Amino acid sequence: EPEVTQTPSHQVTQMGQEVILRCVPISNHLYFYWYRQILGQKVEFLVSFYNNEISEKSEIFDDQFSVERPDGSNFTLKIRSTKLEDSAMYFCASRDMETGINEKLFFGSGTQLSVL
Amino acid sequence: GQNIDQPTEMTATEGAIVQINCTYQTSGFNGLFWYQQHAGEAPTFLSYNVLDGLEEKGRFSSFLSRSKGYSYLLLKELQMKDSASYLCASREAGTALIFGKGTTLSVSS
Repeated sequence: EPEVTQTPSHQVTQMGQEVILRCVPISNHLYFYWYRQILGQKVEFLVSFYNNEISEKSEIFDDQFSVERPDGSNFTLKIRSTKLEDSAMYFCASRDMETGINEKLFFGSGTQLSVL
Repeated sequence: GQNIDQPTEMTATEGAIVQINCTYQTSGFNGLFWYQQHAGEAPTFLSYNVLDGLEEKGRFSSFLSRSKGYSYLLLKELQMKDSASYLCASREAGTALIFGKGTTLSVSS
C-alpha cells in the first residue's frame, strides 16, 4: 500500500538554528498538510498546500515557518529560527481530490524535533 | 472556529464493548472522522460520517447526530491491541481537518 514517508525520523537542533523537515506524499495525492503534536497534547493543524500554494494556515504557522514543494515528489517544512517550544512530533499528511470518505488523510510516521 | 470535546481517558477489559463520545461545534460542518493513534505513531483513519446514523465496519462502528453535534465510536470485542488514543476530528467545507485532544483507551486482561 502506498505511504507517506518522512525524513529524518529524529532531528536534534540548537535553538535559533534552521531545520528542514522532508516528506514524500503519496504519488497521486494533490493536497498536502503539516500537523504537529507536542508530547501529551493534541494533533494540531499547521498548514495545507494545494496547487503549489498555501490554501490554509493556522495561527501557529507564523513567519518562522514556510513550506515548499521543490519538485514533483517532495514537500518540505522549514522552521527558520527554532525555539524551545517548537519541540514536537511533526506529521506530514496527504490526500487525493476525492470528496467524502476519500477525504481521509494519510499520515507519515513523523519527525520528532528536539530543540535544545 | 471549531471546538471538539471528548473524554481524556477510558478503561475497559478484553472482550468488552466501549463507547467513546465526541461533541463538536462548527459553523459549517462537512464531515466527522475518527482516527486511531498508538503511542509514538501516526494517526490512522478509522471511520467517517457525514450523514446521521451508524456506520459499521467490523468491530468498529461510528455514529453521528448532526442536530446534536454528537458522535460516538463503538468498539466491540475489545482486544489488547485496541489500547490507543482515539481522535475525533471534524472539518468545515474547504478547510483542514481539526482534531480533538483524543481519548486514551486502556484495555486490560
